[in-house]
Amino acid sequence: SQTIHQWPATLVQPVGSPLSLECTVEGTSNPNLYWYRQAAGRGLQLLFYSVGIGQISSEVPQNLSASRPQDRQFILSSKKLLLSDSGFYLCAWKTGTGGNIQYFGAGTRLSVL
Amino acid sequence: EDQVTQSPEALRLQEGESSSLNCSYTVSGLRGLFWYRQDPGKGPEFLFTLYSAGEEKEKERLKATLTKKESFLHITAPKPEDSATYLCAAFNSGGYQKVTFGIGTKLQVIP
Repeated sequence: SQTIHQWPATLVQPVGSPLSLECTVEGTSNPNLYWYRQAAGRGLQLLFYSVGIGQISSEVPQNLSASRPQDRQFILSSKKLLLSDSGFYLCAWKTGTGGNIQYFGAGTRLSVL
Repeated sequence: EDQVTQSPEALRLQEGESSSLNCSYTVSGLRGLFWYRQDPGKGPEFLFTLYSAGEEKEKERLKATLTKKESFLHITAPKPEDSATYLCAAFNSGGYQKVTFGIGTKLQVIP
């Protein structure tokens, strides 16, 4: 069966520090991968999606970047965090061939102080 | 602009008191609609996918229905363990599957 792992679960970082959040998927090949941010009182906002290794598309211009160095690995990064980067970050995957359901990881609560 | 609106934002029910959550949507190129359950501090958990008006899906005490403009999540005789935020999301038929999420309805079921 397929599983998605996301870490760390919580992170407290000072303003201006770098960020790296990692997401891996097991039990499937060539998944579509997504990074979302969930802010209080707002719906999930799509940040990045990837349909294959090295293929990244950005939905929202921002202080963040994403990379997909391996088929089932998706990384969210920042060189210098801003206060406004605080939030709940979610990774999701769906099968790359047919299927519509997006399955989510457990999320990372990021607090930038 | 694609939009998904959920109501009410919060709902408090007595155990056994049935009710419905509403999701209205305006999405270009709509392919279908998801319902997810999200517990505090956790990622959303998939519940249902609906594709066409008139379609219904059931799981335990939950039943999701779809019309051309709205979807409803009916909760029959809820239990305290049904307390969670329920998210509605519409997805399109485009290449990468754009999903537009509502803010959610926070359900609290009181024993």
